[in-house]
Amino acid sequence: DAGVIQSPRHEVTEMGQEVTLRCKPISGHDYLFWYRQTMMRGLELLIYFNNNVPIDDSGMPEDRFSAKMPNASFSTLKIQPSEPRDSAVYFCAIRPPGDEQFFGPGTRLTVL
Amino acid sequence: SQQGEEDPQALSIQEGENATMNCSYKTSINNLQWYRQNSGRGLVHLILIRSNEREKHSGRLRVTLDTSKKSSSLLITASRAADTASYFCATVVIQGAQKLVFGQGTRLTINP
Repeated sequence: DAGVIQSPRHEVTEMGQEVTLRCKPISGHDYLFWYRQTMMRGLELLIYFNNNVPIDDSGMPEDRFSAKMPNASFSTLKIQPSEPRDSAVYFCAIRPPGDEQFFGPGTRLTVL
Repeated sequence: SQQGEEDPQALSIQEGENATMNCSYKTSINNLQWYRQNSGRGLVHLILIRSNEREKHSGRLRVTLDTSKKSSSLLITASRAADTASYFCATVVIQGAQKLVFGQGTRLTINP
C-alpha cells in the first residue's frame, strides 16, 4: 500500500447522504486512478487523471459521482446522493513513470 | 465485460506445491500485469510482461504470455501460506494505453 493514503478506511452512511472519499499520493506520479471493487462486478475503473487533469471518466456510473484533483497531492471522489448500490471498496491508485500501478488500502463504503 | 478472465476462480493447494493460474483476454494488448490482493488490502503489483515477450521470471513467479491464444499464466513455485491471496491479471490495451482492465481474479488458498 506504499505510496497512497486513503481516508476514511471505512464509511457507513445512510442513503441520500453525501459521501466524500479522499486520496493522498505520497510519492511521485503521472497518473491517478479511482477504482471500485464489488463481488458482482469485480474491479472497475471509474476515472483517471493525468497531471491533475481528468482524462477519462467513462467509468463513472452516473452524475451522482464526481471526482476532483486540485493538486498533485490530493484527490476526492464524491457521491451525492449515495445509494445502497454504491456500497463497495473504492481504491485510489497512482502510476509513476512506467506501467505498474500502486494502490492505496481502499475505503470500504456501506450505504444503508 | 471484463477484458481478462482468470481460471480457475478458486484454487486450494498444499504448502510446497506449485500453483498455476490462467488469464485470457479479448483484444490486442500492450502489456499484461499480474497483481496480488490480500484480504482487506489494496492490490500489489507482481510482474509485467510485454506483448513481445513470451516468458518472464521474478523470484518464485513465472509468467508466460501467448498472444496468439490471448492468454497468460502465472506460476507460483514452492507455495507458502503467505501466498494465500487473490490474484488478478490486468491488461493495457493498445488503444487505451493508460487504462488497466482487470479480470475477476483467482482466489488462491495455501493449506499448511
